[in-house]
Amino acid sequence: AQSVAQPEDQVNVAEGNPLTVKCTYSVSGNPYLFWYVQYPNRGLQFLLKYITGDNLVKGSYGFEAEFNKSQTSFHLKKPSALVSDSALYFCAVRADQTGANNLFFGTGTRLTVIP
Amino acid sequence: DSGVTQTPKHLITATGQRVTLRCSPRSGDLSVYWYQQSLDQGLQFLIQYYNGEERAKGNILERFSAQQFPDLHSELNLSSLELGDSALYFCASSVGLGNEQYFGPGTRLTVT
Repeated sequence: AQSVAQPEDQVNVAEGNPLTVKCTYSVSGNPYLFWYVQYPNRGLQFLLKYITGDNLVKGSYGFEAEFNKSQTSFHLKKPSALVSDSALYFCAVRADQTGANNLFFGTGTRLTVIP
Repeated sequence: DSGVTQTPKHLITATGQRVTLRCSPRSGDLSVYWYQQSLDQGLQFLIQYYNGEERAKGNILERFSAQQFPDLHSELNLSSLELGDSALYFCASSVGLGNEQYFGPGTRLTVT
């Protein structure tokens, strides 16, 4: 069975500093990994995904994520945080059941960027 | 705007009632997914349809059912509602396996 863990409920970072939001996963077979962001009273917005290829994946709004197979991690990063990045971030893994591609989400990490 | 539409945006109803939530996927997407987001359970997958057929089932209660119609829109039916069913219900769509899912704005259900 597949699962995702986001060990930090809350991450605070100063504007202009680099940010990291952590995610570890457990899945049988090759992982399909995703990051989504949720702003207040909005749906989830897709940021980036890893399916295969380069371990560093670039996504929307300057975000990137590093896939590390040995550590089963998929941390979200951004070199310079903006106040507008403040939101709830979800890591997700695709179901490893054949024929299904629903997502299993972590519990979310609330990112606050301090001006 | 993801291209996925959901109606209604808000729904307030009483315990024991039945409601229907509607979702229209992005143009060209054949897969539709329903998720529930609540404070205590987080984001949970309910059910997936692909081109009209049920593809996968998650933590969906027997009181809940869904279907996908020939025009690919989907409806989630919630019956015998309980206070604990109060949540945000999201619909998402994707074009195929392994592709990212695009989420609608959600329907906020409040059961009183």
